[in-house]
Amino acid sequence: SAVISQKPSRDICQRGTSLTIQCQVDSQVTMMFWYRQQPGQSLTLIATANQGSEATYESGFVIDKFPISRPNLTFSTLTVSNMSPEDSSIYLCSVAGGKETQYFGPGTRLLVL
Amino acid sequence: GESVGLHLPTLSVQEGDNSIINCAYSNSASDYFIWYKQESGKGPQFIIDIRSNMDKRQGQRVTVLLNKTVKHLSLQIAATQPGDSAVYFCADPISGYALNFGKGTSLLVTP
Repeated sequence: SAVISQKPSRDICQRGTSLTIQCQVDSQVTMMFWYRQQPGQSLTLIATANQGSEATYESGFVIDKFPISRPNLTFSTLTVSNMSPEDSSIYLCSVAGGKETQYFGPGTRLLVL
Repeated sequence: GESVGLHLPTLSVQEGDNSIINCAYSNSASDYFIWYKQESGKGPQFIIDIRSNMDKRQGQRVTVLLNKTVKHLSLQIAATQPGDSAVYFCADPISGYALNFGKGTSLLVTP
């Protein structure tokens, strides 16, 4: 399984600002994903980060709010733009493993005041 | 704090007892299911998976049962230990490798 790290692990931000979350994998992977986990709830897929092309966003998520970069096969970033308290969540990156399994990073805990 | 608006069902079991965590799915076309464990402050961790051509699959202290007739999945944990305390999610593929997660169940193991 891949080893995935995320930075920052947590942050407290002011509304109206933006935060960029980094995801680093210890091996080259084709598919990387970003999820959001709101307090006390399940995970919701934000987008699939595609290397060399634009990310593919799920319904309810847009590029202007959650721009994603994927410059190579081991790294991706997710930016949460113009934050509001409703953006307070855990943001998780994951990579596709064998079969359809995914492996997750530790998450970034974001609190927006 | 993060507990505001907590919606997860909770299962409380005594240490040493067996735990059964249930999950209902809606997509009858789903052919692959995964159970994840998420400990406090961590990302989800893969536990066990099962394909739709199987009814049962066993791992170390865990068993997953699949009932396709009623679209129900369960995770059984034998001899539950304090380290099993976590939130458990079932998931199935949306498209390609992206996953759709169930609501989750919080398992609390008491001594």
